[in-house]
Amino acid sequence: NAGVTQTPKFRVLKTGQSMTLLCAQDMNHEYMYWYRQDPGMGLRLIHYSVGEGTTAKGEVPDGYNVSRLKKQNFLLGLESAAPSQTSVYFCASSYSPGTGGAGTGELFFGEGSRLTVL
Amino acid sequence: QQPVQSPQAVILREGEDAVINCSSSKALYSVHWYRQKHGEAPVFLMILLKGGEQKGHEKISASFNEKKQQSSLYLTASQLSYSGTYFCGTEDYGGSQGNLIFGKGTKLSVKP
Repeated sequence: NAGVTQTPKFRVLKTGQSMTLLCAQDMNHEYMYWYRQDPGMGLRLIHYSVGEGTTAKGEVPDGYNVSRLKKQNFLLGLESAAPSQTSVYFCASSYSPGTGGAGTGELFFGEGSRLTVL
Repeated sequence: QQPVQSPQAVILREGEDAVINCSSSKALYSVHWYRQKHGEAPVFLMILLKGGEQKGHEKISASFNEKKQQSSLYLTASQLSYSGTYFCGTEDYGGSQGNLIFGKGTKLSVKP
């Protein structure tokens, strides 16, 4: 049982290059998330999806695009990478509704993808 | 808007207790707690819902005060394995379902 898998784990880009991070989950979860983690900033929500074909902006969506064409996959794209996007990116998924029939359930995180933009 | 966690960092000796607080300026219907060890992904601890539902995890428990829009995580008789950074995540009534926002974290260090 793989859970949440992120690819690639590491990537170095030059400013202006584009790339896509792939998140795949095998738990049939409805909700999927992309967070970025920077020192002292905690986990900041980039985009999320509450179901196949839907996406929504989080706290820091600028410079990123996402797609959820299949329920098990959530893609995060950087069209023109900038040094400010150097970060560790975490994907997560959860069932919904959560415990008690309301809200988001437990988040299952991937191992993270470390991106460096030079 | 990110919830505010306090303290930012705490150092304990094994066996001591700690409390980590999480507060929001918005009315909340759920609070999540996660622990992250260095170089690893965050791991779920518990969810607290409006209405007082509470979960515990070993010697870690939490409370949710809806009126004060606050939650507290209680770690009793701390163990070395409790070291890590603790994050609270909140969903508020003004946001969309699924919009789970985390605080900046509280770094807990447990010394022998």
